[in-house]
Amino acid sequence: KAGVTQTPRYLIKTRGQQVTLSCSPISGHRSVSWYQQTPGQGLQFLFEYFSETQRNKGNFPGRFSGRQFSNSRSEMNVSTLELGDSALYLCASSFRGGGSANTGELFFGEGSRLTVL
Amino acid sequence: KQEVTQIPAALSVPEGENLVLNCSFTDSAIYNLQWFRQDPGKGLTSLLLIQSSQREQTSGRLNASLDKSSGRSTLYIAASQPGDSATYLCAVNNAGNMLTFGGGTRLMVKP
Repeated sequence: KAGVTQTPRYLIKTRGQQVTLSCSPISGHRSVSWYQQTPGQGLQFLFEYFSETQRNKGNFPGRFSGRQFSNSRSEMNVSTLELGDSALYLCASSFRGGGSANTGELFFGEGSRLTVL
Repeated sequence: KQEVTQIPAALSVPEGENLVLNCSFTDSAIYNLQWFRQDPGKGLTSLLLIQSSQREQTSGRLNASLDKSSGRSTLYIAASQPGDSATYLCAVNNAGNMLTFGGGTRLMVKP
């Protein structure tokens, strides 16, 4: 069973540009959440999508946005990049449905490392 | 607002030692607690998940306990090996898959 797949793994952008990151969840998982990891702030929750709807949002500016498609794949977008957006962006998937499969366990991908110059 | 603290921030032990990593949280109304491992430059690997109704979970040489009333969880690693060297992260799920992470414990196991 394939794990969570994130693309691209590495990217370099300049200030003011925008970036789109992609996440394919584990097959059968309908919840995708995004996290930002920086040396200074650690891991912080960005947002969660379930059945194409944003369910929760962390404390990030509106430059950070996301969406989820009908096949549960998700994208996040950061517009008008700032130096402080340099981070490892991690995507996690979970089942989040009914029944015994809904353990609440999150599975993470390898991340997309964004460098803003 | 949930706050999660991990102590110690770093730990260096000789191979073969048993060790305990600590995690504390401020809001006991949790859905579950998850322990992760992160190798340098990599994503997070789930180690153990403890539901709010459980007291402990075991997987191989790993044992995690949960005391909701005191806001504490511990990860016990038996007979540590150099391959256990990594950062260990504790994460609390209050609701809706919004995990609150601790700062992590960076573990070095020396041969």
